[in-house]
Amino acid sequence: KAGVTQTPRYLIKTRGQQVTLSCSPISGHRSVSWYQQTPGQGLQFLFEYFSETQRNKGNFPGRFSGRQFSNSRSEMNVSTLELGDSALYLCASSLDRVDTEAFFGQGTRLTVV
Amino acid sequence: AQSVTQLGSHVSVSEGALVLLRCNYSSSVPPYLFWYVQYPNQGLQLLLKYTSAATLVKGINGFEAEFKKSETSFHLTKPSAHMSDAAEYFCAVNRAGTYKYIFGTGTRLKVLA
Repeated sequence: KAGVTQTPRYLIKTRGQQVTLSCSPISGHRSVSWYQQTPGQGLQFLFEYFSETQRNKGNFPGRFSGRQFSNSRSEMNVSTLELGDSALYLCASSLDRVDTEAFFGQGTRLTVV
Repeated sequence: AQSVTQLGSHVSVSEGALVLLRCNYSSSVPPYLFWYVQYPNQGLQLLLKYTSAATLVKGINGFEAEFKKSETSFHLTKPSAHMSDAAEYFCAVNRAGTYKYIFGTGTRLKVLA
């Protein structure tokens, strides 16, 4: 069974640019969540999608957005990049049951210069 | 609001010694609790989870954790540390009815030869 796949693995962008990250969940998983991991802030929840609808949202500015497609694949977009957006972005998928765990991808390492 | 607190951002143990990583949670309702491990430049891998079935939970790689409601704790233990256990460990909580995981700040485990 294939795991959660995130592309690309590494990205270098310039301040002010925008970026799109992609996540393919485990087959059958319809819940997809995104997290930002930085040394200073740890793992912070960005948002969660289910059936193409944003169901939960973290405390991030509107520059961070996402979407989910009918096949459950998800993308997140960050516009007007800032240096502080440099982080490891992790995608996780899960079944639609609250007692189940999230399965994580290997992440996309974004560096903003 | 829910949260988890991990005591000790860095823990060092000798190979063969007991591993004890501490996690305390705060939640107004019974939570679902998880321990994840992260190796460098990797995503998070589930070690074990508590979903109210049994208070002592056994996970992969010889790890286990005990849910203690009176102490609001979910500490992770392993009787004998191995060099391959060196990694960062995260405790997470997910309140029933939500799909938003709240992570602790992580504990980096170092195993000394």
